[in-house]
Amino acid sequence: GAGVSQSPSNKVTEKGKDVELRCDPISGHTALYWYRQSLGQGLEFLIYFQGNSAPDKSGLPSDRFSAERTGGSVSTLTIQRTQQEDSAVYLCASSLAVRDRGGHGYTFGSGTRLTVV
Amino acid sequence: RKEVEQDPGPFNVPEGATVAFNCTYSNSASQSFFWYRQDCRKEPKLLMSVYSSGNEDGRFTAQLNRASQYISLLIRDSKLSDSATYLCAVPGGGNNRLAFGKGNQVVVIP
Repeated sequence: GAGVSQSPSNKVTEKGKDVELRCDPISGHTALYWYRQSLGQGLEFLIYFQGNSAPDKSGLPSDRFSAERTGGSVSTLTIQRTQQEDSAVYLCASSLAVRDRGGHGYTFGSGTRLTVV
Repeated sequence: RKEVEQDPGPFNVPEGATVAFNCTYSNSASQSFFWYRQDCRKEPKLLMSVYSSGNEDGRFTAQLNRASQYISLLIRDSKLSDSATYLCAVPGGGNNRLAFGKGNQVVVIP
C-alpha cells in the first residue's frame, strides 16, 4: 500500500488476556520497527527487523512481548497476559535499509491504541 | 546522558513570531538527524532531515552543531497550524534504529 497500515486502530482488552497487533509496512521497505508511546511520554523502542537478519529485540520490556515478521513483510506484535501498564499506543514504522552510520527517516503507521482494563 | 533530550515546553508563541528550540544527543558518531511533527493523538510525521550543516524548507530551518552535539529547529512567521509537538530523532542502538526525544510542544496563540 501507499503507507504503513496497522490494525486494529483501537483495542480494549481485559487484564491477563493476550493481544495481537498487526503491521503492514510500505512495499519495498526492508526495515520495520515497533515503538510504543505512553500518554505524555516519548517513543520507546521495542523491536527492529531488517531483511533476513536476526531481529533486534533489545527494547522488549518483558518476555510477555514477542514479534514476528513473516516473509519480510507483515509483522505481528504479541503481548501475552496483558497488564495495565501495557496500555499505550503501539506504533509501527518502516524505512529503507539503514546505511552505515546513518539512516533513513521512518514512515509511521497510525498506531494501535491499546487499553488494558 | 540520555540518547536524546528535549525541553518539553510548552513553547507559547504569538502568531507571526519566530520560535526555536534545541535537541541534544549523546552519540557523537551520528551522521543523520530528523525532526518529526506529531499532532495530538496522531502518529509522528517526518518534517525534515538534517544530514550535514543544516536544512531549510520554507519557514522551517534545522541546524546541526556537531561540536556541542545538538540540533535546532526554527519556525519563522508561526501559523496557528504549526501547533504540534516536534520530536527530534537520532540514530541510536548501534545505528540500527532511531532514538526519539520526548518532543517540544509548540502552541501558537492568536
